[in-house]
Amino acid sequence: DGGITQSPKYLFRKEGQNVTLSCEQNLNHDAMYWYRQDPGQGLRLIYYSQIVNDFQKGDIAEGYSVSREKKESFPLTVTSAQKNPTAFYLCASKAGVMMEAFFGQGTRLTVV
Amino acid sequence: GENVEQHPSTLSVQEGDSAVIKCTYSDSASNYFPWYKQELGKGPQLIIDIRSNVGEKKDQRIAVTLNKTAKHFSLHITETQPEDSAVYFCAARNYGGSQGNLIFGKGTKLSVKP
Repeated sequence: DGGITQSPKYLFRKEGQNVTLSCEQNLNHDAMYWYRQDPGQGLRLIYYSQIVNDFQKGDIAEGYSVSREKKESFPLTVTSAQKNPTAFYLCASKAGVMMEAFFGQGTRLTVV
Repeated sequence: GENVEQHPSTLSVQEGDSAVIKCTYSDSASNYFPWYKQELGKGPQLIIDIRSNVGEKKDQRIAVTLNKTAKHFSLHITETQPEDSAVYFCAARNYGGSQGNLIFGKGTKLSVKP
């Protein structure tokens, strides 16, 4: 089955540590996205990538980093510079800029 | 850039009643408006979308209407069922510097009471 897989589903991080969230898709989509979701808030764009080896900052990129070395993979690193990292993180992909977006099941990150 | 406002933030209806969620957008250049349903602990799923060359689209119990002049669009769910309970997000496509990225509303938590 084609789809987007995010792992892990739950992640706990100690303050001061970097953590990496995985996002893999087998839909052959060119574009991939990372969103952050907080209670009562909409989805806010962190980073996006329209093509391999290229990515752009979204609205809230500070404290995050990404890479896009392979078409199917778009990992997100939450660095220690992110002051409030506890949130639900969603990865999405699209076949093209103007196509519909498909979402993964999310990773809930908690700082302990 | 684009801004999307969504109302209400919470909505409670009796099973069998209709539910309506409204969104307004600011960028008149936006031309794609999807609606997503998000169940607890899961990622959003596209349930219906509409493009600006169409005023209304229907899929069984779900319909979306678009008023380009007023820059608002609405989701209509008829004959609601308990399984319709979820958070619903509207979105609009931004053709500015974000290269066609979606701008989301803050969501509406719909509760359908049996």
